[in-house]
Amino acid sequence: DQQVKQNSPSLSVQEGRISILNCDYTNSMFDYFLWYKKYPAEGPTFLISISSIKDKNEDGRFTVFLNKSAKHLSLHIVPSQPGDSAVYFCAARGANSKLTFGKGITLSVRP
Amino acid sequence: GAVVSQHPSWVICKSGTSVKIECRSLDFQATTMFWYRQFPKQSLMLMATSNEGSKATYEQGVEKDKFLINHASLTLSTLTVTSAHPEDSSFYICSQDRGNQPQHFGDGTRLSIL
Repeated sequence: DQQVKQNSPSLSVQEGRISILNCDYTNSMFDYFLWYKKYPAEGPTFLISISSIKDKNEDGRFTVFLNKSAKHLSLHIVPSQPGDSAVYFCAARGANSKLTFGKGITLSVRP
Repeated sequence: GAVVSQHPSWVICKSGTSVKIECRSLDFQATTMFWYRQFPKQSLMLMATSNEGSKATYEQGVEKDKFLINHASLTLSTLTVTSAHPEDSSFYICSQDRGNQPQHFGDGTRLSIL
């Protein structure tokens, strides 16, 4: 039973436009949510996070929104750049700092 | 720069071989590190929590006698896949527990068992 779901396996957007990556979760005990970016044959790189007591966190071109009542979060990238093309994982933190990951979404930004 | 160093990055070996993967914390003394496994097109799945100076704790379904974890120092955790078989072929990744800060990951080890 997946507790963190990224239902779309891929997303393709034009350079300069907005990329919206979605993530749903089922465990209301998660207290912290993170987005990681991953290139092939490399480990995930931390991108941005949000505490469960917030509804928005912004860092440059990246903004994460959290809707606790819907158990939904999203990552917005604007403007999208070709270098943003990668696999993006949504992760949620539970007890003992353990992270539960979604399956990831492959973002392709077309020049 | 990288704060977690993982070695080797790629291993190919015969079935029945035991393989050791090292994970080093470069920027601080990590009392806790995590080991994950990722199969193709799947999410990273937590295998075990490595605790410095004590036994590792394993997630449900992960065989502790198959995946031996040693965390003898505050900067090094090792994962040994014992008597590896083709079904153990996967991407193994470690991370640091940084408390309230996000976990940082190593670059992973691609394990291929022939």
